[in-house]
Amino acid sequence: EVQLLESGGGLVQPGDSLQLSCAASGFTFTNYPMAWVRQASGMGLEWVSYITRGGDTYYADSVQGRFTISRDTSKNTLFLQMNRLRAEDTAIYYCTADVGFCSGPCYALFDYWGQGALVTVSS
Amino acid sequence: AIQMTQSPSSLSASVGDTVTITCRASQAIRKDLGWYQQKPGKAPKLLIYAASSLQSGVPSRFSGSGSGTDFTLTITSLQPEDIATYFCLQDFSFPLTFGPGTKVNI
Repeated sequence: EVQLLESGGGLVQPGDSLQLSCAASGFTFTNYPMAWVRQASGMGLEWVSYITRGGDTYYADSVQGRFTISRDTSKNTLFLQMNRLRAEDTAIYYCTADVGFCSGPCYALFDYWGQGALVTVSS
Repeated sequence: AIQMTQSPSSLSASVGDTVTITCRASQAIRKDLGWYQQKPGKAPKLLIYAASSLQSGVPSRFSGSGSGTDFTLTITSLQPEDIATYFCLQDFSFPLTFGPGTKVNI
C-alpha cells in the first residue's frame, strides 16, 4: 500500500524556521519526482516546490529563496526546509509523488498524496 | 508564470445532470493539464491527466477535453459522491499553477 506520511508541522512565529518531512512507503521512492503543495484554510491549492529524480529543484515565486526541497533516498523521505516564515505561509502542506506519463511529451501525474501537515505562522 | 482561470467558481446541479467545468490558461500549454478532485478535509485526487486521459480507477463519467488554452472537465450523470471542489493544474512549465477551483454542490 502506498503511503506518504508528513510530519514536522506546528505553530511557529514569523521569521522562524521549520522542516517538514514526508516518509514514503509502498512504492519505489527513487523512481519518482516529488512535490509539495499547500492549501490555506478555505482557499485553493498552491504548488510550492518540485524535485526531480536527479535532484533538480523548482519553486513557486512566493517561496523562492526561503524554502528548500530535498530528498534522502536512503530513508525514502522528502523534506521541505522552510526559513523566514511568514503569516501567509500558514497552510496545510501536502507531499505528493509525480508518477508521470510519457507519450512523446511527458505529463505530471500527482497520484500519491499524503494526509497533510498543518503549518501555522503566528505571533 | 502561466495563470489558470476556472469557471464557474461554483455550481449547483442535480443527480444525473451533466456538469461542465472550464479551465483556461494564459498561454498555450499543449495538453499539459490535469484535473484533481478534492473533498473536504481530504487530499486531492487525480482524475484526468494529459487533458483527456482518465486516470486508472476513476469512474468513466469523468472526462476531459481541450488543448492549447481551453480545457473542459465533464461529469456525466452527476452522483452524490461527486460533491467536491475541482482544480485544474498546468504542468507545461514551472512554476506549476493550479486553477482557483470549482465547487460542485448537489
